Parts: sequence; C-alpha cells; structure tokens
Amino acid sequence: EVQLVESGGGLVQPGGSLRLSCAASGFTFSSYWMHWVRQAPGKGLVWVSRINSDGSSTSYADSVKGRFTISRDNAKNTLYLQMNSLRAEDTAVYYCARGATVTPWYFDLWGRGTLVTVSS
Amino acid sequence: NFMLTQPHSVSESPGKTVTISCTGSSGSIASNYVQWYQQRPGSAPTTVIYEDNQRPSGVPDRFSGSIDSSSNSASLTISGLKTEDEADYYCQSYDSSAVVFGGGTKLTVL
Repeated sequence: EVQLVESGGGLVQPGGSLRLSCAASGFTFSSYWMHWVRQAPGKGLVWVSRINSDGSSTSYADSVKGRFTISRDNAKNTLYLQMNSLRAEDTAVYYCARGATVTPWYFDLWGRGTLVTVSS
Repeated sequence: NFMLTQPHSVSESPGKTVTISCTGSSGSIASNYVQWYQQRPGSAPTTVIYEDNQRPSGVPDRFSGSIDSSSNSASLTISGLKTEDEADYYCQSYDSSAVVFGGGTKLTVL
C-alpha cells in the first residue's frame, strides 16, 4: 500500500526540540521530493519545508528558517524534521507530503499527521 | 511575497453549483499550476484538482478547476452539490522557492 506515516509528535516545552519522522512505503521513496506542511488548531494549511529527491537541496518557510532542519534517509525510506527552539506558535499537526512527479511543488500523497504541542 | 486569497466561507444547497475563488496577490497566477485540496474535519487533505484543471482518479467530474488570467484568479467549481462535499477547500500554488496555500474556504452544504 502506498502510504506515509508520521511519528514523533508530542508535548514539548518552549525552547525545546523534537524530531519528527515520516515513514514511506509502497513507492520508490528516493525518486520523489518530500515536504512538511503544518496546520495549527482550527487554522489553515501552511507549508514548512521541502527536500529534493537525493537530499542535496532544501528550502524553508521564513517562520522556521534557522530553527528547523529537513532531511531524509533514502536507504530507510524515511523523511525527518528536526525542530529546535520551539515556540508556542509551532503548535500544529505536522503532515508529510509527497511532491508530485511532473512538478514537485505540489502534493499527490499525504500522511495522517502528527500533533506537536509546545507548552509549559 | 506571493499570496493566495480565498473567501472564508461559502454555502449552498444540495444539488446546486458553487464556485470558490482563489486570487493571486502579484504576478500571474497562470505562471505556475494551481491545485485544490479538500479537507474534512479530523482528516488529512486530499487532492481534488491538480495542474489547474486535472482531476485525480476517483474524484467525480462534478469537481472542476479553471484559471482566469484577467482577474488573476483560479476557481474550483462543484456542481450537483452533495452533503458529503461539505469540507474545507484550499488552493495552492508555488513560486521559485516556496509553496503557498490560500487561507481556506469552508463549504457548507445546507
């Protein structure tokens, strides 16, 4: 089955760190760009970061630049998001999403998401 | 920065047709593809339109997408509304280095 499964969310204090994982299965993970998208409670979708297929190129939303790092391990079919210096406004469900084949700047497969809560 | 603006909410009756707009803030919205995602409460988004007007397999032909360069906007039209279409809808595009989402439109089918 083609799917993405996120994990690693939870409760963390402001200023703390967390690493999210996204396990891919059912497709050739190493051929696709991957993205992280987040959604604060009751709010809209916000793009966070993307990484190209071999991990050599990344980009970030201004709101997380310098604090978050996206990476991937193609041998393990896993995408990561290292989140440092977390703030209350980072509280959200974090989705991993696969970039489409023709143009990797949109998404053709989403995970179910993992909730990150930043609170003391 | 490039932004996409959607109406906060729309409502229509079952069987009718509704159109949700998505207006680009600068440049030409036709320069890059626009996608539309449906999100039901408690669920992840799913694609209903990609590359301006293409439907993924499994999405009924009641869903259609279009681009109007004169108004720099994209539109999602849903005809023959069903109660199951009630959801949040997000348009999405991109520029040279980032993905951009519209703020989302809550569709109520009443």
